[in-house]
Amino acid sequence: QKEVEQNSGPLSVPEGAIASLNCTYSDRVSQSFFWYRQYSGKSPELIMSIYSNGDKEDGRFTAQLNKASQYVSLLIRDSQPSDSATYLCAVLGPYSGGYQKVTFGTGTKLQVIP
Amino acid sequence: DTEVTQTPKHLVMGMTNKKSLKCEQHMGHRAMYWYKQKAKKPPELMFVYSYEKLSINESVPSRFSPECPNSSLLNLHLHALQPEDSALYLCASSPLRGSANTGELFFGEGSRLTVL
Repeated sequence: QKEVEQNSGPLSVPEGAIASLNCTYSDRVSQSFFWYRQYSGKSPELIMSIYSNGDKEDGRFTAQLNKASQYVSLLIRDSQPSDSATYLCAVLGPYSGGYQKVTFGTGTKLQVIP
Repeated sequence: DTEVTQTPKHLVMGMTNKKSLKCEQHMGHRAMYWYKQKAKKPPELMFVYSYEKLSINESVPSRFSPECPNSSLLNLHLHALQPEDSALYLCASSPLRGSANTGELFFGEGSRLTVL
C-alpha cells in the first residue's frame, strides 16, 4: 500500500463548479497534512495546511481532514480555468532516524473547462 | 515573487562535466532541501539540511554532492551524471519548530537539468 494515495485523474469540472480532490494516507500517527498546487512546468506551491479534524477554509479553498478514516480532501469552489493544475497531497510522517519526512502523493490533475 | 531563488533555470551538461546548482532563500528558514522531480511524478527527496548541517541523505549517488555554506545558501554539485539524471531539481526551504520539521515547504522555481 502506498503511503499517500491520490487518483491521478484528470479530473474535469466545468467552470464555476466545485472540484473535489481526495487523498488517503496509511500512517495513522501522521499529524500534519498539506496541499500543494503545481502548474505544468512550474514548481509546487503550498496552498493549504491542516492539522485538526474538520474543515479549514481559505478563500475558495477548503481542506477537510478525517483522521479516523485517514482521509484528506481539498474542495475548490467556483472553479476557474486558472485552477487547472496538478494538486499534490503531502503528509508529514512520524520521526524516523531523527527526522520527519514529507511524503507526497502522485498528484491529481485538475482540468477546469471554460 | 518567490523568496527561494534557484540558478540556473536550465542546464545542459555532458556526462563528463562538473556543474553546480545554486539556491538562495530569504525567508529566514533553517531547513533547506533538494528534491528531484521527473515528469508526471511527485518530488523525490534527496537531501535535507537543518541548521546548516546535513541531516538526511536519501541514499543519493555520490555524483550528487550537496553543500550548505550558510543558512541562506544551498548548492548541489554535479559530476559524472548519467542521462537518467535529467530532471527538474527543486530547492525548498522550511521553517523549523525548534528542531522539528513543520512540513511546510517553500519551493524555488527549479533548475531543469538535461544530461547528454
